[in-house]
Amino acid sequence: AQSVTQLDSQVPVFEEAPVELRCNYSSSVSVYLFWYVQYPNQGLQLLLKYLSGSTLVKGINGFEAEFNKSQTSFHLRKPSVHISDTAEYFCAVSRSNYQLIWGAGTKLIIKP
Amino acid sequence: DGGITQSPKYLFRKEGQNVTLSCEQNLNHDAMYWYRQDPGQGLRLIYYSQIVNDFQKGDIAEGYSVSREKKESFPLTVTSAQKNPTAFYLCASSIRWVNTEAFFGQGTRLTVV
Repeated sequence: AQSVTQLDSQVPVFEEAPVELRCNYSSSVSVYLFWYVQYPNQGLQLLLKYLSGSTLVKGINGFEAEFNKSQTSFHLRKPSVHISDTAEYFCAVSRSNYQLIWGAGTKLIIKP
Repeated sequence: DGGITQSPKYLFRKEGQNVTLSCEQNLNHDAMYWYRQDPGQGLRLIYYSQIVNDFQKGDIAEGYSVSREKKESFPLTVTSAQKNPTAFYLCASSIRWVNTEAFFGQGTRLTVV
């Protein structure tokens, strides 16, 4: 069965430091990949998506992600985080004939 | 502005009561979804609808019911059979069933009192 693994449930990082949130998926076929952000008591907002083409995808709020087919990974990165980036981040995968499969989420905790 | 509207934002229910959560979209999307979110458990799919007048059970459909009589509306009823209904409920839609991103409403927090 297809699955999405977010390796860290929480990631603490100091303000202005870089951050990487990890996402791995299991699939032997082509997939579409997404990262979403959820602020407290709100819905999810799309940060970025990979459908095809360049493996480096840029999103909103200075985030980017790199698709690595050989490692079946889609890690999210930001070179310098801000206190406003405090949120929960979800990785999701879609492929033909399947609805979105979600990771369990990673809480990004920004330390001042 | 196009988007998804969930109402109410907060809802309190007495044990044994049915309640209905509203979800409306004006994005002209074919597919709609209901998710339940509990702390530390990510998103769990309750029901989904690929097209109007059709819907399917998701992973945790027991104790819930839905209808999709109009393209823009996908209400969720939490019945008294749902033993642990306190949670954050998210409605989403997508332009088609697969290979595309979902757009989310702001959620409804349901509390049983």
